[in-house]
Amino acid sequence: DQQVKQNSPSLSVQEGRISILNCDYTNSMFDYFLWYKKYPAEGPTFLISISSIKDKNEDGRFTVFLNKSAKHLSLHIVPSQPGDSAVYFCAANDMRFGAGTRLTVKP
Amino acid sequence: DVKVTQSSRYLVKRTGEKVFLECVQDMDHENMFWYRQDPGLGLRLIYFSYDVKMKEKGDIPEGYSVSREKKERFSLILESASTNQTSMYLCASSLFAVRGEQYFGPGTRLTVT
Repeated sequence: DQQVKQNSPSLSVQEGRISILNCDYTNSMFDYFLWYKKYPAEGPTFLISISSIKDKNEDGRFTVFLNKSAKHLSLHIVPSQPGDSAVYFCAANDMRFGAGTRLTVKP
Repeated sequence: DVKVTQSSRYLVKRTGEKVFLECVQDMDHENMFWYRQDPGLGLRLIYFSYDVKMKEKGDIPEGYSVSREKKERFSLILESASTNQTSMYLCASSLFAVRGEQYFGPGTRLTVT
């Protein structure tokens, strides 16, 4: 039973536009969420995190939003760049990962 | 620069063989993890360790065991490899067990024939 779900296996956006990646979770005990980015032939690398005491966290072009009542978080990338093309994983503090969303940013 | 290394990038083994996957981290982290990554399923936790000689089962421990004799090294053992264990195996380490970023190795692509 996947407690962290990323329902979109892929997303394609144009360079310069916004990318929005979504993640849902079922366990209300989760209180810390992370996003990782994975390039082919490499391990995932940490991108950004958010604690449940916040509803937004920004780091440069990357912003994560948390909606606790909906058990939903999203990662916004603005503006998107071709180098952002990768698989993005959402994770919850219980070492639970989503299935990933493959983002393709077209030049 | 932090580093997690895995002993092999690619491995091909036969059904029934005993397989050892090694992971070493140089960050003095207490916590280490083994995941497998499969299409459509993401990363699933096999085992983790929060201290030397300590281990905890993850979501899918069946068919696997682990060993942590030294802080920097965490080994995953497939006692008798089966074809359904063909997968990408990822090792990670972290300073905090449940509210901290994990540092991942590059992965081992294991094929069991």
